[in-house]
Amino acid sequence: DTGVSQDPRHKITKRGQNVTFRCDPISEHNRLYWYRQTLGQGPEFLTYFQNEAQLEKSRLLSDRFSAERPKGSFSTLEIQRTEQGDSAMYLCASSLPLGSGGFNEAFFGQGTRLTVV
Amino acid sequence: QKEVEQNSGPLSVPEGAIASLNCTYSDRGSQSFFWYRQYSGKSPELIMFIYSNGDKEDGRFTAQLNKASQYVSLLIRDSQPSDSATYLCAVKRDGNNRLAFGKGNQVVVIP
Repeated sequence: DTGVSQDPRHKITKRGQNVTFRCDPISEHNRLYWYRQTLGQGPEFLTYFQNEAQLEKSRLLSDRFSAERPKGSFSTLEIQRTEQGDSAMYLCASSLPLGSGGFNEAFFGQGTRLTVV
Repeated sequence: QKEVEQNSGPLSVPEGAIASLNCTYSDRGSQSFFWYRQYSGKSPELIMFIYSNGDKEDGRFTAQLNKASQYVSLLIRDSQPSDSATYLCAVKRDGNNRLAFGKGNQVVVIP
């Protein structure tokens, strides 16, 4: 296992189109996070899954955004009717379960860079 | 007031010198503190974490935490050109599932 994997790495789409990103976490990590990062800013939290349950959503996650983790393994983030303001790097991270004996720090994937034109 | 503040601009340091980065946070309930390094166009990479007041050293990196003053710092000793990156401070509250990040500080190590 080489870490958190995200696909695609880059996506260019026209305004109004729908896009979907995929994240495969580190295999033993049951906690999965989505963040968004714009140029010159730190990552901003979008949503959190523990196994298949989406337990937390940021107010940044508008109705056009939906995330799923159907079997508690990989996750998808879909953006409907994309807007130019959605252009950003979308980062996925995963971490060990609490009490697993390790620290619960989050490890990030390489991200998907979205450009809406 | 932002949750995590990293206010200083780009930091240029000569190779071999010490780079010092500071971060303040507003939530007194924050319990876990992290420093991530991010190279241009890449994802954040965890380099240090600290939970208790005081210093924590790992190789050339030292994290310092002062919960009373609500700041955390990172020292990079013997700076190398490969340390040139943006350093992100992140904090987490116990029982909370998200990291709150500062906007980062760019470090440029000049050979």
